[in-house]
Amino acid sequence: AQSVTQLDSQVPVFEEAPVELRCNYSSSVSVYLFWYVQYPNQGLQLLLKYLSGSTLVKGINGFEAEFNKSQTSFHLRKPSVHISDTAEYFCAVSDPGAGTALIFGKGTTLSVSS
Amino acid sequence: GAVVSQHPSRVICKSGTSVKIECRSLDFQATTMFWYRQFPKKSLMLMATSNEGSKATYEQGVEKDKFLINHASLTLSTLTVTSAHPEDSSFYICSARPGTSGGTGELFFGEGSRLTVL
Repeated sequence: AQSVTQLDSQVPVFEEAPVELRCNYSSSVSVYLFWYVQYPNQGLQLLLKYLSGSTLVKGINGFEAEFNKSQTSFHLRKPSVHISDTAEYFCAVSDPGAGTALIFGKGTTLSVSS
Repeated sequence: GAVVSQHPSRVICKSGTSVKIECRSLDFQATTMFWYRQFPKKSLMLMATSNEGSKATYEQGVEKDKFLINHASLTLSTLTVTSAHPEDSSFYICSARPGTSGGTGELFFGEGSRLTVL
């Protein structure tokens, strides 16, 4: 079964500093990879996704992630964070196919302070 | 983009009562929808896969008699928490993927429903 490990449960960072949120997945076969953001008491919003092709994926709000098959990683990065980026971030994996659910990591709380 | 709507967003009920949560895909058809449960400060746990016109597929450890799922049409799935107890209090989120193929792979999520059982 697929699994996702988010290596950091909490990441505190100062405003305008760069940030990396780490994610590793278990499967070495073809996978889809996603990063979602969740603000308090809200649903999930897609930041970016990797399905195939270029390993560097750019998403919304200035975030990007790089798919590394050899290391089975999909780390999320942003060169300069804002206070408004404070939220919970979830990495997720699924097998290709319409009927498959996403399996989520435990989440990383990003706290941006001034 | 595709929109998934959940209702109600918040519900408070007494212990022993049943609560129904609706999940609708507003601008696409979904033969499959997924129900997740999220505990405070925790990840999303897949509860079940809701299949239009057939029985839901429940994940291990999820009580199918406690969490009834009905997928009556291509745009509506419902989750009924039967005889709710305080430990059922949680944030329930549904999701759906447009199309009958793998497509973009992306799941679209509802806004979530916070259930509080007194």
